[in-house]
Amino acid sequence: NAGVTQTPKFRILKIGQSMTLQCTQDMNHNYMYWYRQDPGMGLKLIYYSVGAGITDKGEVPNGYNVSRSTTEDFPLRLELAAPSQTSVYFCASGAQYNEQFFGPGTRLTVL
Amino acid sequence: DAKTTQPTSMDCAEGRAANLPCNHSTISGNEYVYWYRQIHSQGPQYIIHGLKNNETNEMASLIITEDRKSSTLILPHATLRDTAVYYCIVYFKAAGNKLTFGGGTRVLVKP
Repeated sequence: NAGVTQTPKFRILKIGQSMTLQCTQDMNHNYMYWYRQDPGMGLKLIYYSVGAGITDKGEVPNGYNVSRSTTEDFPLRLELAAPSQTSVYFCASGAQYNEQFFGPGTRLTVL
Repeated sequence: DAKTTQPTSMDCAEGRAANLPCNHSTISGNEYVYWYRQIHSQGPQYIIHGLKNNETNEMASLIITEDRKSSTLILPHATLRDTAVYYCIVYFKAAGNKLTFGGGTRVLVKP
């Protein structure tokens, strides 16, 4: 099993550009999550999903959108990139009531 | 807000036990204590969790006080590869599996 995979690993965006961060898991987990981590800080939850077709906001959802059309994929969309969105983004998945498995992260810089 | 208090940093000698404290004085009866760690630049990794009994697995032991207001993660024989930020998280399983990360403890294992 590959676990949780994220693409791209690195990306530089200009202010106002858009992009989609991809996340795929092959563990058949119903729950998937997007976190962001600013330098020296803990992770903050952006959005999460408890199953295909169901998404909900986390602690810091502004400026982001998600969709969950399949169990495996949970893409995160940035519509109008801002410097405040410079961060490392982690995707995670888990079975209900069990631990979360994290991907390797996407390092995003907005200039 | 994170419901836990951890020391900001601590050092440990290689080969010795590392004892990481966590205070969670407002924990409720149905909340679990989870520990994750994050090795530099990687996604967090699950270590162990418990409700009220002490737990042990191949990575660590978790000691929870009888009143459940604090706990200690024990790495029995710390290695250089255990250098990481360790997060203690109080977790209510029914709340959408959502984790709230605080600042964690930065552990440096020294040779």
